[in-house]
Amino acid sequence: AQSVTQPDIHITVSEGASLELRCNYSYGATPYLFWYVQSPGQGLQLLLKYFSGDTLVQGIKGFEAEFKRSQSSFNLRKPSVHWSDAAEYFCAVVERGFGNEKLTFGTGTRLTIIP
Amino acid sequence: GAGVSQSPSNKVTEKGKDVELRCDPISGHTALYWYRQSLGQGLEFLIYFQGNSAPDKSGLPSDRFSAERTGGSVSTLTIQRTQQEDSAVYLCASTLRSADTQYFGPGTRLTVL
Repeated sequence: AQSVTQPDIHITVSEGASLELRCNYSYGATPYLFWYVQSPGQGLQLLLKYFSGDTLVQGIKGFEAEFKRSQSSFNLRKPSVHWSDAAEYFCAVVERGFGNEKLTFGTGTRLTIIP
Repeated sequence: GAGVSQSPSNKVTEKGKDVELRCDPISGHTALYWYRQSLGQGLEFLIYFQGNSAPDKSGLPSDRFSAERTGGSVSTLTIQRTQQEDSAVYLCASTLRSADTQYFGPGTRLTVL
């Protein structure tokens, strides 16, 4: 079964600084990969996804992520964070080809922004 | 267009009572998923619907949990004889077809006293 690891439970960055959130997955083939963001009391909003093709994908709110097959990673980046980016971020993977393409989530990374 | 909606947004119940949680998916979305988000377990899959059938119920934690979907649209998740460990946020997601982006509702926060 596939699994997702987000090694950082909590990250604090200064407003305007760059950000990288790590995500590693365990899966035999190329999975579908997603990053979702959850603000306090809110549902999950899709930031970006990777299905195939260009390994660098652009998302909303200035986020991007790079799929690296050799490292089984799909790290999320942003060159300059804003206070409104404070939230919890979840990496997720879908196991393809079995009909039920349910999401398997990582444990999340909570992002705090300091002035 | 309208997104996924869930009701109620909050539900407080007493241990042993039954509860029903409702999900209205995006119109035309054929696949529907229920997930649960709790402090101890993170985000976990509960059940998947394709149309009105549920080919995968493997995530339901016990036989107290059941779900149905009617008319290929609205889904109801029922928890019987609620326990305190059922306290969590229950999230619903829908997708136009398999292998597509899942769009989430705002969730129902269930508190069992």
